[in-house]
Order: sequence, then structure tokens, then C-alpha cells
Amino acid sequence: SAVISQKPSRDICQRGTSLTIQCQVDSQVTMMFWYRQQPGQSLTLIATANQGSEATYESGFVIDKFPISRPNLTFSTLTVSNMSPEDSSIYLCSVEDLTISSYTFGSGTRLTVV
Amino acid sequence: AQTVTQSQPEMSVQEAETVTLSCTYDTSESDYYLFWYKQPPSRQMILVIRQEAYKQQNATENRFSVNFQKAAKSFSLKISDSQLGDAAMYFCAYSGVRETSGSRLTFGEGTQLTVNP
Repeated sequence: SAVISQKPSRDICQRGTSLTIQCQVDSQVTMMFWYRQQPGQSLTLIATANQGSEATYESGFVIDKFPISRPNLTFSTLTVSNMSPEDSSIYLCSVEDLTISSYTFGSGTRLTVV
Repeated sequence: AQTVTQSQPEMSVQEAETVTLSCTYDTSESDYYLFWYKQPPSRQMILVIRQEAYKQQNATENRFSVNFQKAAKSFSLKISDSQLGDAAMYFCAYSGVRETSGSRLTFGEGTQLTVNP
């Protein structure tokens, strides 16, 4: 199955700043997904990132706040911009893993905004 | 839009006993996939088991099995011979077929499972 390296694993950031989260996959994948998991809650899809095209954002998420890059079939970044304490969450990337007909996740980034 | 509901925020089980976690979903699609994921405190999402809707046979993976009732839109997870390492948050998730509704996962609210020694 695919292996995803997600960085950083955690960070504490000042409000008003931005943080970029990276996900590297050890195989080529068509779609990558970015999720947010607020404290004590479930996972909510932020956007779907396809290589070579603009990311598709879910309702309630906008590109200015969560810009995404997908330069090739193995890599993607999510930026959390102009952060506020409400952005404190776990952010996870995921890919559809056709070898196991399922979805594989990165280890997550725990973000705390102070 | 598809929805997934887990009505048990918390469950507990004695070590070596059996526990069942409930999940219901709503969809208008006839073909789809259902999953159970486990999230321990490390926050890593770990696939426990998957079920294809067009297969009537319930999926099993060692101590984990599901009761898939398509007509009732129910997908429960049974954990047999519970072990301390099974303690985690369990999420039920739905995925449509890529050609129709895309590959995105929709998650339930989660069930926190405690295993007592």
C-alpha cells in the first residue's frame, strides 16, 4: 500500500501567520485529499487536489484561506493562511490507494494557534 | 448528499469480550464502499475493514467483522476477543464510486472505544 510522509507533525504558530503542510507519497496517485479534524470531532474534507488543475474546495472552505499546490503526482501542500485560534486542528492528507481499494492517510499535523 | 451517523459517542468493553459499534448511512446510490477506520491517540488513521456494497457477504479481518444490511443502510463493526490495543476512536466512512459521485470519504462522528483490563 501507499506510504505518505506528512510534515510537520506538529507546530505552534502565532495568529496572523501562515503554515504550509507537506505530503509526499511513495507512488503516483491521481487524487489527494486534505482533511481537517477539529478537537474532539470527526474529519471534514477541505479540498480535493488533482495534479495539473485547481483544487476543488468543499463548502465552507476557500482558496484564499487554504491554498493548495499539487505540482506532481506524488506531492501536495496545504497552506493555512492568516491563522486564528479557531484554526487549531489536526490536518491530514489522504490518497485513494487502488492497490488496497481503500484510502491511506498521512500521520497528521497537529496545529496550535496562539 | 451522503451522510454517515454513529449514534454511540463512547463504548467500553472488557478485555477478551466482544463489542459491536453501530453505523448507519444515507445514500441514493446503489454501488458504494463502506469503511471502518481506527484512530489511536497517535492520530494515525488505520484501515480496519472495508465492504463493497455489491457484495452480500460480510467482510471479515481476523477479529473484526461487519454486519452489512444494505436495505437498512446499516454497517456495524464487531470486535471479538477485544485487546487493550483496540482502544481508539473508530470512524465509519462512506465512499461513492468514482465514476458517479467521486472518491471522497464521508465520515461519521466517531465512537471512542475503551478496553478495560
